Amino acid sequence: AQSVTQLGSHVSVSEGALVLLRCNYSSSVPPYLFWYVQYPNQGLQLLLKYTSAATLVKGINGFEAEFKKSETSFHLTKPSAHMSDAAEYFCAVSANTGNQFYFGTGTSLTVIP
Amino acid sequence: DGGITQSPKYLFRKEGQNVTLSCEQNLNHDAMYWYRQDPGQGLRLIYYSQIVNDFQKGDIAEGYSVSREKKESFPLTVTSAQKNPTAFYLCASGTLGTGIHEQYFGPGTRLTVT
Repeated sequence: AQSVTQLGSHVSVSEGALVLLRCNYSSSVPPYLFWYVQYPNQGLQLLLKYTSAATLVKGINGFEAEFKKSETSFHLTKPSAHMSDAAEYFCAVSANTGNQFYFGTGTSLTVIP
Repeated sequence: DGGITQSPKYLFRKEGQNVTLSCEQNLNHDAMYWYRQDPGQGLRLIYYSQIVNDFQKGDIAEGYSVSREKKESFPLTVTSAQKNPTAFYLCASGTLGTGIHEQYFGPGTRLTVT
């Protein structure tokens, strides 16, 4: 069975500060991991995905995530927050068979000017 | 311009009425999904379909029904049996097979039932 836990339903950072959004996963098989972003009243947009090719994954808008098997984590980071990064972020896991996704409960990011 | 369309963006219904949400994709994806989103609960899977004329229940299928008569279309009906239908509904699609397959999302439909 697969599941993800996102620690912190709300995170606030100052503009220009480091963004760190936490995601821990549980999977009985080697997982595929994803980060999505959602702006108010919109659908989800893929930020990045882990495919086992590299543990450090770079995505769009300057975001990156590092897969750490020993910690079962896939935390999302960005060195310098922009006002436009304010949104809801979802971590998701999928088994390598089938295509059913399991989403975390989301982290709402606020960027303070 | 490829993508997933959902209509309408906002939908209002009276309690006791069935309502159908539209989802269309022109990405030639085999799989399509319906999720419900409530504040603080993330996305929960209602139904999914991997092939025309076949679909499976997700985690919260009670009170919902779907059909998949065409590859491009996967409408969701919220029936009067759904006890708390007010929510944001998201449709997604994706490819199948071995390897990684991300899901692509539509813009969502916000349903309000009073």
